[in-house]
Amino acid sequence: EIVLTQSPGTLSLSPGERATLSCRASEGISSSYLTWYQQKPGQAPRLLIYGASSRASGIPDRFSGSGSGTDFTLTISRLEPEDFAVYYCQNYGGSPLVTFGGGTKVEIK
Amino acid sequence: QVQLQESGPGLVKPSETLSLTCTVSSGSMSPYYWSWIRQSPGKGLEWIGYVYYSGSTHYHPSLQSRVTISVDTSEKKFSLSLTSVTAADTAVYFCARMGVTGFRFDSWGRGTLVTVSS
Repeated sequence: EIVLTQSPGTLSLSPGERATLSCRASEGISSSYLTWYQQKPGQAPRLLIYGASSRASGIPDRFSGSGSGTDFTLTISRLEPEDFAVYYCQNYGGSPLVTFGGGTKVEIK
Repeated sequence: QVQLQESGPGLVKPSETLSLTCTVSSGSMSPYYWSWIRQSPGKGLEWIGYVYYSGSTHYHPSLQSRVTISVDTSEKKFSLSLTSVTAADTAVYFCARMGVTGFRFDSWGRGTLVTVSS
């Protein structure tokens, strides 16, 4: 079973600061199938980054993704007030076929 | 722009069957995978399974014995059935669309809370 471990669990930052979120896989995975989502309270997740580094339609360029193998990173270059949310990484492949990381909450410091 | 909407009972008794339907509007059901994902209160996301538009399915191994997902392309709906529910099945249930390339969830329903309680 491929396990995705996200760190930190909570990130306390101020607007304008840079956020760096980690997603580590228990074994090597294809970057083609590594996806990031943003979820705000009471809402469904929203697709942010796919293929580890491609921004989804309408996603601002302050969001970027990188990584390969077992280590992936989501970076928010300068936090806007609307970016405070929970972020999840997701992988396709292995068993179970779809797995999500436990999430990182980005909160206002 | 495809839209998904979950529907079904918000309260289910322990040991009974949870049944939800997701209605797809504005778009074709092919060639996509149609998934159910749940989120227990205050917790992370758990994939339950998917049905391909052709009807083939794949489920999370831990739920496989209790889950059935089916599709009706003529009605543009797909459904979730989860048997023998317990309090641990209390969650917000989302339906979502996954493309055949990249295997990412690009459209989601708003989610529906299902509580298992007597």
